Amino acid sequence: AQSVTQLDSQVPVFEEAPVELRCNYSSSVSVYLFWYVQYPNQGLQLLLKYLSGSTLVKGINGFEAEFNKSQTSFHLRKPSVHISDTAEYFCAVNTRSSSASKIIFGSGTRLSIRP
Amino acid sequence: DTGVSQDPRHKITKRGQNVTFRCDPISEHNRLYWYRQTLGQGPEFLTYFQNEAQLEKSRLLSDRFSAERPKGSFSTLEIQRTEQGDSAMYLCASSLSGGPSYEQYFGPGTRLTVT
Repeated sequence: AQSVTQLDSQVPVFEEAPVELRCNYSSSVSVYLFWYVQYPNQGLQLLLKYLSGSTLVKGINGFEAEFNKSQTSFHLRKPSVHISDTAEYFCAVNTRSSSASKIIFGSGTRLSIRP
Repeated sequence: DTGVSQDPRHKITKRGQNVTFRCDPISEHNRLYWYRQTLGQGPEFLTYFQNEAQLEKSRLLSDRFSAERPKGSFSTLEIQRTEQGDSAMYLCASSLSGGPSYEQYFGPGTRLTVT
């Protein structure tokens, strides 16, 4: 079975400051890793994904994440946040199997940007 | 608009009533998923279809829940004898088979409130 832990339920930061949202996962098999963003009253949007290869992946809106296999982590970062980044962010995993279907989500981190 | 659509966006019902939600996936997608998201939590998998076949159901999907996808296009999720614990956001997603299922595209969700 797989599980995802997001260590911070809320992260307040000032505009233009850097931010890191932490994510750890647990799985007995190889997984794909993702970050999704959910803006108020909207569905989930894929920010970025790690499938294989380079452990540093870049996504939309200036976000990037680094896969660390030894630490079983996939932390999300942005060097300078904007008010429009205010949203809830979900880390997620899916197993590397042709029959895999469901995505396992973490409980989310609410990012609030202060002007 | 060629994204995933869900109807209604909001539903308020009294305990004990039946409700039905609809999801229209991206037209060429043959996989369709239902997730439930309660306040402060990440989405949790409920069930998924490939074409009209329901291939997996979570144990979260009690006997009061039923999902259908009769012609392999839109899907409905019905909850019978609603309970206050059913209050949640119900998310639908779709994807193509033949590729990893991580490429799931989410709709805006249906928010259910049971009074």
